[in-house]
Amino acid sequence: ELQLVESGGGLVQPGGSLRLSCAASVFTVANNYMSWVRQAPGKGLEWVSLIYSGGSTYYADSVKGRFSISRDDSKNTLYLQMNSLRAEDTAVYYCARVLPTLRGDYFDYWGQGTLVTVSS
Amino acid sequence: QSVLTQPPSVSGAPGQRVTISCTGSSSNFGAGHDVNWYQHLPGTAPKLLIYGNNNRPSGVPDRFSGSKSGTSASLAITGLQAEDEADYYCQSYDNSLSGSVFGGGTKLTVL
Repeated sequence: ELQLVESGGGLVQPGGSLRLSCAASVFTVANNYMSWVRQAPGKGLEWVSLIYSGGSTYYADSVKGRFSISRDDSKNTLYLQMNSLRAEDTAVYYCARVLPTLRGDYFDYWGQGTLVTVSS
Repeated sequence: QSVLTQPPSVSGAPGQRVTISCTGSSSNFGAGHDVNWYQHLPGTAPKLLIYGNNNRPSGVPDRFSGSKSGTSASLAITGLQAEDEADYYCQSYDNSLSGSVFGGGTKLTVL
């Protein structure tokens, strides 16, 4: 069965950096669109970033210039490099496979998430 | 403040029918973008429930159905079961934000 497993979360001080990983099995990350979505404590889901199979990347305004999405095709793994972290970035971060359509994308498989806490 | 607006909570007794609304705008639903729905139990991976307004992925019971009209959408659940108790989110694409947007989520309680 298709599986996504996130790792790399933890406690980091404001202004610090963290890199999240999302290892995929059964399907090839490089051949798919992939996204990161987060959920802050007590809040709803928030789309964070998207990478196309061709390599183009997109970000929510809240993280633009601070976060960077990438992938390692040899490891079939998706990454999210998070810099200049703020308290409001505290959330569970999910990776998800994206299925594009002419009328908008949707997320068909999700990982279990990894918790990022930004606090001094 | 989410771009898509959902009621914070809904409830129903086992066997009943409930609906969850999702209100958008001219930059998402009104621009022709589809609505998708997800079921989320805390601590677990969100699950795709409905895609493309009214399509169910394999394995999702036909008790779940979706619809969209103009700038509004809704998810209906018939024959409520205890296992349906979860958070439900609508999602679409927004032209103004150039990205996916979610509703604030609706907590379904099965009485």
